[in-house]
Amino acid sequence: QSALTQPASVSGSPGQSITISCTGASSDVRVYNSVSWYQQHPDKAPKLMIYDVSNRPSGVSNRFSGSNSGNTASLTISGLQAEDEADYYCSSYTSTNIFFGGGTKLTVL
Amino acid sequence: EVQLVESGGGVVRAGGSLRISCAASGFTFDDYGMSWVRQVSGKGLEWVSAINWNGGSTSYADSVQGRFTISRDNARNSLYLQMDTLRAEDSALYYCARAGDTSGYVYYFDYWGQGALVTVFS
Repeated sequence: QSALTQPASVSGSPGQSITISCTGASSDVRVYNSVSWYQQHPDKAPKLMIYDVSNRPSGVSNRFSGSNSGNTASLTISGLQAEDEADYYCSSYTSTNIFFGGGTKLTVL
Repeated sequence: EVQLVESGGGVVRAGGSLRISCAASGFTFDDYGMSWVRQVSGKGLEWVSAINWNGGSTSYADSVQGRFTISRDNARNSLYLQMDTLRAEDSALYYCARAGDTSGYVYYFDYWGQGALVTVFS
């Protein structure tokens, strides 16, 4: 069982908003304050989209936002665009390990 | 421009060894912790190992503990992963990744290389 659980897939139409959840399996996994999110297009390296729950790196569209509630973090993408179709991974850590969620495939209909 | 370029991937028999490297440029290498993350084709990301800025602190995933060794040479702006006693399940694309900040903690990654492919056959 993964330390971080994500839905396998989500979908939405252009212009809509979608949310991807990421739930920590235990309180040791610091979902409450140190979740990051990565976008990965096919055959490409992952790209950092969100860090420390809700911070966007320079250059990342403000259509991407992060939040958390208890031990569940969320990535919201508003105004969906075709280029957003990709795999998304959440990540967090314990005192000794870094974990990634299983990944969520976003399909833009 | 930050660049991370992996090299040294290849095909190796189970039980064998391989060392992969990551050449860093475009930033002050010894300001940042670094990490290796791997991905089996068609599967998700798996963190492998991390090292702090001066190599004084390292950590490993349980799946590679005792078999893999991470190291760095700040004079050469390079990161390494020595992989011993390789298993078929170690076959993956290995990414080099930079820690997202200079706090000393490695827990998120702001730049990634394009990966080095490691294939272990039995």
